Amino acid sequence: DAKTTQPTSMDCAEGRAANLPCNHSTISGNEYVYWYRQIHSQGPQYIIHGLKNNETNEMASLIITEDRKSSTLILPHATLRDTAVYYCIVRAAGGGGADGLTFGKGTHLIIQP
Amino acid sequence: DTGVSQDPRHKITKRGQNVTFRCDPISEHNRLYWYRQTLGQGPEFLTYFQNEAQLEKSRLLSDRFSAERPKGSFSTLEIQRTEQGDSAMYLCASSLGANDRYTFGSGTRLTVV
Repeated sequence: DAKTTQPTSMDCAEGRAANLPCNHSTISGNEYVYWYRQIHSQGPQYIIHGLKNNETNEMASLIITEDRKSSTLILPHATLRDTAVYYCIVRAAGGGGADGLTFGKGTHLIIQP
Repeated sequence: DTGVSQDPRHKITKRGQNVTFRCDPISEHNRLYWYRQTLGQGPEFLTYFQNEAQLEKSRLLSDRFSAERPKGSFSTLEIQRTEQGDSAMYLCASSLGANDRYTFGSGTRLTVV
């Protein structure tokens, strides 16, 4: 069973903020929210992760709702190179194998010039 | 950090042949993972290693598949008697430990004709 729900695709204008939503209503207390992206013909690339606090790094910001049932990945100034499939993944602390990274179909984000 | 390397990048083989892929993880990473990805789908977990020990295998890993990590460094994934359904991208990832982010290689694209 999928632990996360994401829109199939989204468009965003170059230079604008891209906001990618993710629902994870059955998340457990020890499960983190991870975001990866996959540019065509490459392996997935780590973006950011968080438990319950909002997080920011050089690539993106992660906003997690107070009840932790949903989150939003924000790319503040999207460029054409941000066109990719974005995966929101719920992962238990220490999880490996089938309890590690389990990918859904993700959101195909298309940045429009 | 030289990243995760996979070889070859592409492999075309005839049905019934055996193929072997190699993955070189980041040198200090203890964990190594294999995933398979078919067109339009997210990566699917196959198996993972902690050092040289294979800790978990997915039900997707039929008895025609075998993976090794003999010295706890590089890993090989062998597929015997390939079938057309084995055509996919095979991704390798590594992580420092149980709670750390995965770093993926660029994958080996297998085409069985």
